[in-house]
Amino acid sequence: QSALTQPASVSGSPGQSITISCTGTSSDVGGYNHVSWYQQHPDKAPKLMIYDVSNRPSGVSNRFSGSKSGNTASLTISGLQTEDEADYYCSSYTSSYTVIFGGGTRLTVL
Amino acid sequence: EVQLVESGGGLVQPGGSLRLSCAASGFTFSSYWMHWFRQAPGKGLVWVSRTNRDGSSIKYADYVRGRFTTSRDNAKNTLHLQMNSLGAEDTAVYYCARDINSGADCWGQGTLVTVSS
Repeated sequence: QSALTQPASVSGSPGQSITISCTGTSSDVGGYNHVSWYQQHPDKAPKLMIYDVSNRPSGVSNRFSGSKSGNTASLTISGLQTEDEADYYCSSYTSSYTVIFGGGTRLTVL
Repeated sequence: EVQLVESGGGLVQPGGSLRLSCAASGFTFSSYWMHWFRQAPGKGLVWVSRTNRDGSSIKYADYVRGRFTTSRDNAKNTLHLQMNSLGAEDTAVYYCARDINSGADCWGQGTLVTVSS
């Protein structure tokens, strides 16, 4: 099963909003509402930012939001801050009872 | 405080074996599905395996099936990953994580496995 497709990089200025897309198939993203998004800073463990497409874990800023349309999920970060600069990964449950990740997107806050 | 601590990583020769452990604390371990993930140096996150609450249902990624075995000891709040027939492509930081609807809401700090002669 191929990885989910994410843009390699996105950038934005402080205060702006950005959206990262995550495209899969009807066997993963499109078929289930079990899409998650992770933030990873260099040499750190990943941190869950969104689960089940649009749910935020306790403690995650409401500047982070998730959505899905068809086979594509999206993570939107509003009011960009310098500390948001990190790698972001999407993942999805699949019809094979496994989990698949996207290749990751590097967010640069200019 | 919810905490996961991996151990057992290190340097192993190609074809060798290694057993990773993940000690859980701060939550009812037996109530949660658990995952193993890995990340090769400079690369992205990859899912390895997941187990249900009592270890009766375990799934693996295609590239580790038949070589890796996940198990759990709920009495000791510990998750294990037995890795056999290791190759250079298995070099990575291995993370255990607690499941939330096929996502992972709590991660360990990771343990580095290096396969090299």
